Amino acid sequence: DIQMTQSPSTLSASVGDRVTITCRASQSINTRLAWYQQKPGKAPNLLIFKASNLERGVPSRFSGSGSGTEFTLTISSLQPDDFATYYCHQYDSSWTFGQGTKVEIK
Amino acid sequence: EVQLVQSGAELRKPGDSLKISCKSSGYSFTAHWIAWVRQVPGKGLEWLATVYPDDSDVKSSPSFQGRVTISVDKASATTYLQLNRLRASDTAIYYCARPHSGIFSHLDFWGQGTLVTVSS
Repeated sequence: DIQMTQSPSTLSASVGDRVTITCRASQSINTRLAWYQQKPGKAPNLLIFKASNLERGVPSRFSGSGSGTEFTLTISSLQPDDFATYYCHQYDSSWTFGQGTKVEIK
Repeated sequence: EVQLVQSGAELRKPGDSLKISCKSSGYSFTAHWIAWVRQVPGKGLEWLATVYPDDSDVKSSPSFQGRVTISVDKASATTYLQLNRLRASDTAIYYCARPHSGIFSHLDFWGQGTLVTVSS
């Protein structure tokens, strides 16, 4: 099974900060990686697919990059609505998810 | 508008079985796989199984093979997840979600989740 390791597990930041979350795969997954945002009591919501493609309707302050085993999700200027938990998800071989990164208010 | 609407919360005892549903609308039901993913409260996401509604082809996670059954009712565009021999560690929110294209793809639409509590 492919393991996905996300870091950090918790991130404290302020509105306007640039935020970067990293996801590492235990083997190459090409660009078959997605990022989701989840708020308390809600289902995950797709932000990025195929490592760097922005889902329709997602603000352009979100971006994704990477290929192979190293991936990043960047929020260019953190907004109040962005405080949530973020998950990476590989779909190259079966499915596995990262353990999540909680972005909290500093 | 694509929607996945799941059945309500369930309470079961250890050893029981569970069957929850996910009704699809707003797209061609038989043209997309449907996946089941669960989330233990406060924890991450875990894939259980995926079904192709057109022919009921099922792919399951090795972690759940032998305990999970997926079924489909094409007439009502509903997918069912059955989990047997429940244990306390199966307490979680169970989500259905739609892979965008093909069996292993990003998940572009999600149900609202069904809370399953397993307790004696």
